[in-house]
Amino acid sequence: SAVISQKPSRDICQRGTSLTIQCQVDSQVTMMFWYRQQPGQSLTLIATANQGSEATYESGFVIDKFPISRPNLTFSTLTVSNMSPEDSSIYLCSITLPGQGSGGYTFGSGTRLTVV
Amino acid sequence: ELKVEQNPLFLSMQEGKNYTIYCNYSTTSDRLYWYRQDPGKSLESLFVLLSNGAVKQEGRLMASLDTKARLSTLHITAAVHDLSATYFCAVDATSGTYKYIFGTGTRLKVLA
Repeated sequence: SAVISQKPSRDICQRGTSLTIQCQVDSQVTMMFWYRQQPGQSLTLIATANQGSEATYESGFVIDKFPISRPNLTFSTLTVSNMSPEDSSIYLCSITLPGQGSGGYTFGSGTRLTVV
Repeated sequence: ELKVEQNPLFLSMQEGKNYTIYCNYSTTSDRLYWYRQDPGKSLESLFVLLSNGAVKQEGRLMASLDTKARLSTLHITAAVHDLSATYFCAVDATSGTYKYIFGTGTRLKVLA
């Protein structure tokens, strides 16, 4: 199975600033997904990032706030822009390898973001 | 809109006891996934259920899927403290997109 390296693992940021989260996969994958997990809550899909195309955002999430890059098949970044305390969450990248495990996700280790 | 609900949301149980976590979803799906999350950690895949009547077992955990009832269960047998975690089920939002909708989560605490 693939291994995902996500960084930073945690950060404390000032409101109004931006943070870029990186995910590196040890194999080539077509689809990468970015999720947000607010404190004590379930996971909510932010966007799907496919290499070579614009990310597809879910309802309630916009590119200006959460710009995503996907420069190649092993790497993606998510930026949380102009942060406010409401952005304090765990952010997770994930991949699926349809030929292995029939579509189940592998998750990165997560980035715990606190905005003060 | 696909909704995925779990119950109970919180479960405190004694070691050695059995219990079942339920996952109901609102639209047709033939794939369901169970994940475990330890506090402060990422999610670990437990089970992938791909068809009606599928049953998977690993140690003290057994998962099943009834696509007609839109229901999956995660059964815990003779619970031990190490099973304390939050358990999530997840369903494909739209078949083939791999965009998953996660359930509300069940926070399990096994008391020694």
